Amino acid sequence: KNEVEQSPQNLTAQEGEFITINCSYSVGISALHWLQQHPGGGIVSLFMLSSGKKKHGRLIATINIQEKHSSLHITASHPRDSAVYICAVRSNQGAQKLVFGQGTRLTINP
Amino acid sequence: NAGVTQTPKFQVLKTGQSMTLQCAQDMNHEYMSWYRQDPGMGLRLIHYSVGAGITDQGEVPNGYNVSRSTTEDFPLRLLSAAPSQTSVYFCASSSRYNSPLHFGNGTRLTVT
Repeated sequence: KNEVEQSPQNLTAQEGEFITINCSYSVGISALHWLQQHPGGGIVSLFMLSSGKKKHGRLIATINIQEKHSSLHITASHPRDSAVYICAVRSNQGAQKLVFGQGTRLTINP
Repeated sequence: NAGVTQTPKFQVLKTGQSMTLQCAQDMNHEYMSWYRQDPGMGLRLIHYSVGAGITDQGEVPNGYNVSRSTTEDFPLRLLSAAPSQTSVYFCASSSRYNSPLHFGNGTRLTVT
């Protein structure tokens, strides 16, 4: 079992829909990152959080440390939100390495 | 601010050739790292550095070498390229190991 699991792997929605992407992890962590990778490959950091909730524009990230779960929400989705969203966790033990999920491919149709 | 600059963007090598992927950042970040991204797999850490003169191995270090002689630069060397090293390579930096990451645009490497 991967240390970081994302769901769904693929998501297609219509413009305007509310989007939720989930990330579950099995290790103790010091921080969780949400990243966005557009077609063409560049990776951008969206959020880094260790507790609670963060909001930036139409994007909201939440984390529940006890349940080892995080969600990324997109409100009023737009075709430009189409990308791969990647969850990564920083382990709080040993080498404290960063472990990445496989990503969720989101497609927003106009 | 250029951020994290990776060169080249594309490279084709023959088996056995060596090359260096360049990574430079202008944000005075202490922490730099190299990842490879393969289809169906998450990003995997190759090597990382917590400061000039300090490097360590990640999850998949075999066949790669790094050095960090300055804060700005963190080159990744392929010693003898193999087809299994065909991948997209990303360099990333952060001010500390547990700070937001800044990624380069990636290098698509094909080894034939």
